[in-house]
Amino acid sequence: ETGVTQTPRHLVMGMTNKKSLKCEQHLGHNAMYWYKQSAKKPLELMFVYNFKEQTENNSVPSRFSPECPNSSHLFLHLHTLQPEDSALYLCASSQVHSTALIYEQYFGPGTRLTVT
Amino acid sequence: TQLLEQSPQFLSIQEGENLTVYCNSSSVFSSLQWYRQEPGEGPVLLVTVVTGGEVKKLKRLTFQFGDARKDSSLHITAAQPGDTGLYLCATPPGETSGSRLTFGEGTQLTVNP
Repeated sequence: ETGVTQTPRHLVMGMTNKKSLKCEQHLGHNAMYWYKQSAKKPLELMFVYNFKEQTENNSVPSRFSPECPNSSHLFLHLHTLQPEDSALYLCASSQVHSTALIYEQYFGPGTRLTVT
Repeated sequence: TQLLEQSPQFLSIQEGENLTVYCNSSSVFSSLQWYRQEPGEGPVLLVTVVTGGEVKKLKRLTFQFGDARKDSSLHITAAQPGDTGLYLCATPPGETSGSRLTFGEGTQLTVNP
């Protein structure tokens, strides 16, 4: 049990559908992240939220829309996706300090997304 | 963005064997983390190393940070099928702190019974 939960665990959607991925962290952290993990590629950072404010958007297409209503919840809204967006989407959280050198991230189990 | 090279990319061994996997960069690491990811799950943090030359042990796993902080290794003694997974190294970009991490592509380890 890592303290970070994600739902759903598996999702199959058509290219015209709209769906949302949900992440919740129970660790009291103040930063949350979305990553994409595709076969034979390193983990790709998509979005970073520090203190509920989006601090990074790593050139992600607008068909992915994040939302962070509070420091414990993170959503990824999906619409008009492409088949190449099929991947494992991972959420993570960490505790960020302005003077810290180490940011250990705690991951959820991921949502396996298939776009048909 | 600091690039991390992990080797080997794939490793398949028999139970009881020893193995070492590597994580290298042309730049200095401010710190380095090792994660293990099992199939269908997210990565789980194993260890963080900070000081050049540092050695940390976690049961049968030994993590070493190079003296120059440009490389790290993970050695597993007497591997077991439960060690099977994707081993990832990760570091904050550059030498400054930052909440984002850069990950290597990982070493996919399979330990056969």
